[in-house]
Amino acid sequence: QVQLVESGGGVVQPERSLRLSCAASGFTFSRYSMHWVRQAPGKGLEWVAVISYDGSNKDYADSVKGRFTISRDNSQNTLHLQMNSLRAEDAAVYYCAKSASGLHYPMDVWGQGATVTVTS
Amino acid sequence: DIQMTQSPSSLSASVGDRVTITCRASQGVGNYLAWFQQKPGKAPKSLIYSASNLQSGVPSRFSGSGSGTDFTLTISSLQPEDFASYYCQQYNTYPLTFGGGTKVEI
Repeated sequence: QVQLVESGGGVVQPERSLRLSCAASGFTFSRYSMHWVRQAPGKGLEWVAVISYDGSNKDYADSVKGRFTISRDNSQNTLHLQMNSLRAEDAAVYYCAKSASGLHYPMDVWGQGATVTVTS
Repeated sequence: DIQMTQSPSSLSASVGDRVTITCRASQGVGNYLAWFQQKPGKAPKSLIYSASNLQSGVPSRFSGSGSGTDFTLTISSLQPEDFASYYCQQYNTYPLTFGGGTKVEI
C-alpha cells in the first residue's frame, strides 16, 4: 500500500539546521509531485513547499523562502526538507504529502509526521 | 495569497445529526478545492477533491459542493468516528492555502 514515513525530526536550537526525510513506498515515486505541510502545536495546517516529479520545479511559502530547501532523490524514493536558520515559529509537526499527480492536483496521501522543536 | 475562511470554527453535534461546514475563498479557485479530516495526534486524511469527488474508501455520508469562492462539506448523518477537525484547502494557486479548520465535537 502507499506509505510515507518521515524521519529526522528532533530538538534544535534557534539558528541551527535540521534535515527531514520522507521515505515513500507502494507507488512510483518519480511520477508524482510531493509536498511538505506543517502544523504548529494547537494550530491549523500550513503548506510549506512543493517539488515537481522530476525536481525541476519548486515553490515555497513566504515564511520559509530562503531558509528551507525541498529536494528529492528518485533513485532512493525519498523526499527531503533542509531547514536552515530555524526559528521558534518553525516548531511544528512536519508532514510529507503525495500529490495525486502534478503541481495542481490535490494531496491524497500523508505521512504520519515528524516533530521539530526549536528551543534554546 | 488566497485566503480560505471556514465557518464555524467549532460546532457541537450529536450522532445522527446532519452537519454542514462552509469554506469561502478570497478569490475564485474554480473547483480546485479539497477537504481533509484530522483526528487528534493523527495525520490529516483526504476526504474530497475537486470540490465534490470522494476519495476512495470515504463513506458516502460525506459530500462536497460548490465552485468558485463558496464551498460546503456535508456529513449527512454524523457517526462517532466523525468527531474530528476538518480543513478545506485550495490548490488552484500557489502558495497553497488551508482554511483555519472546523472542530466537530460531541
